[in-house]
Amino acid sequence: DAMVIQNPRYQVTQFGKPVTLSCSQTLNHNVMYWYQQKSSQAPKLLFHYYDKDFNNEADTPDNFQSRRPNTSFCFLDIRSPGLGDAAMYLCATSRDGPGGPPYEQYFGPGTRLTVT
Amino acid sequence: KNQVEQSPQSLIILEGKNCTLQCNYTVSPFSNLRWYKQDTGRGPVSLTIMTFSENTKSNGRYTATLDADTKQSSLHITASQLSDSASYICVVSVGASGTYKYIFGTGTRLKVLA
Repeated sequence: DAMVIQNPRYQVTQFGKPVTLSCSQTLNHNVMYWYQQKSSQAPKLLFHYYDKDFNNEADTPDNFQSRRPNTSFCFLDIRSPGLGDAAMYLCATSRDGPGGPPYEQYFGPGTRLTVT
Repeated sequence: KNQVEQSPQSLIILEGKNCTLQCNYTVSPFSNLRWYKQDTGRGPVSLTIMTFSENTKSNGRYTATLDADTKQSSLHITASQLSDSASYICVVSVGASGTYKYIFGTGTRLKVLA
């Protein structure tokens, strides 16, 4: 039973053409995260939502935006994708943040983005 | 600077053998340490989570240890199987309540051969 679902699994977009990746969860978790993972590298946190509160990482480019219309869904918008944005994008959820008790962080299967 | 380093970068072993992966961290304040398994093209899956007071935790054939004094952790895999071929990522959670920081290591790529 999928708990964190990402669509599509593979996305091809053109240089400069806006693209939206989606993530949904059936866990009713408070926190949703978006990570970018390039080949052979660790996932890099882009931003996260704690409920409706948006938290951007300091080094996340303005080209990346996110929306969380409700608890279950979260979207990653890339306004003008560049070749360097080709990567795996991982969505994750947790019941609460890492500063509190060690709640599990559940990852989706990822969306592989190709920019042509 | 908060940092998590893993070694080795890659490892090849024969099926049935044991292996140990290492994770060293310089993170403050430490909250907890996690090991994840990531199959190629998939999202990471949690193996263990340990807090400051825990020395060891097992999940089937996976046993993680934590030495908070030396800031080291290890993941021991017993009787390896072909399905253990994956990247293993060490992640340390930083901060007190109200902050949200996971520091990821770059992972160890394990290949198990028949």
